[in-house]
Amino acid sequence: GENVEQHPSTLSVQEGDSAVIKCTYSDSASNYFPWYKQELGKGPQLIIDIRSNVGEKKDQRIAVTLNKTAKHFSLHITETQPEDSAVYFCAAPPTGYALNFGKGTSLLVTP
Amino acid sequence: DSGVTQTPKHLITATGQRVTLRCSPRSGDLSVYWYQQSLDQGLQFLIQYYNGEERAKGNILERFSAQQFPDLHSELNLSSLELGDSALYFCASSVVPADGELFFGEGSRLTVL
Repeated sequence: GENVEQHPSTLSVQEGDSAVIKCTYSDSASNYFPWYKQELGKGPQLIIDIRSNVGEKKDQRIAVTLNKTAKHFSLHITETQPEDSAVYFCAAPPTGYALNFGKGTSLLVTP
Repeated sequence: DSGVTQTPKHLITATGQRVTLRCSPRSGDLSVYWYQQSLDQGLQFLIQYYNGEERAKGNILERFSAQQFPDLHSELNLSSLELGDSALYFCASSVVPADGELFFGEGSRLTVL
């Protein structure tokens, strides 16, 4: 199945700084790359996704970039706020099947 | 609120026992997924159903089984429980399989003593 590696496992930034989380995948046929945010005591929730025909996508303070040649994609959060503190997961699907998630990045934004 | 309902929220049981976790997907979603979340393994895909039929299998142990019923709710059965089965079990649903947003429930926390 698809192997998704995510780095770093923990990330601490000061409020207002940027945070970047990176993922690599193995299956070159993968064409859908979502990012999920999991707050304490909750299930993961989709925050942004990108498809392989697009190199970058932005939604307010959040952006995702995709490099299909290198098989990696990244989540960028600008002007971080304390409420951005959570665990973030990248995912990629094996061909035609369910999403495989990375092991998660615990982001802490300190005031 | 994602619209996905999981019961029970918490479950404590002993090794060797069997438990059933239940999931009601969002109204209209035909795909149901089960994931296991433990501290060191992240979110591990277990199994997926689409409109009552098994669609994909991940790292699901032979001691575990699942099914999706005609009303689209799903159950995950865990038997001969071991200490290492202690984890959060999430159900998710989607309109279409794989290539779209998954809506997760709040999970069932299983503790095996």
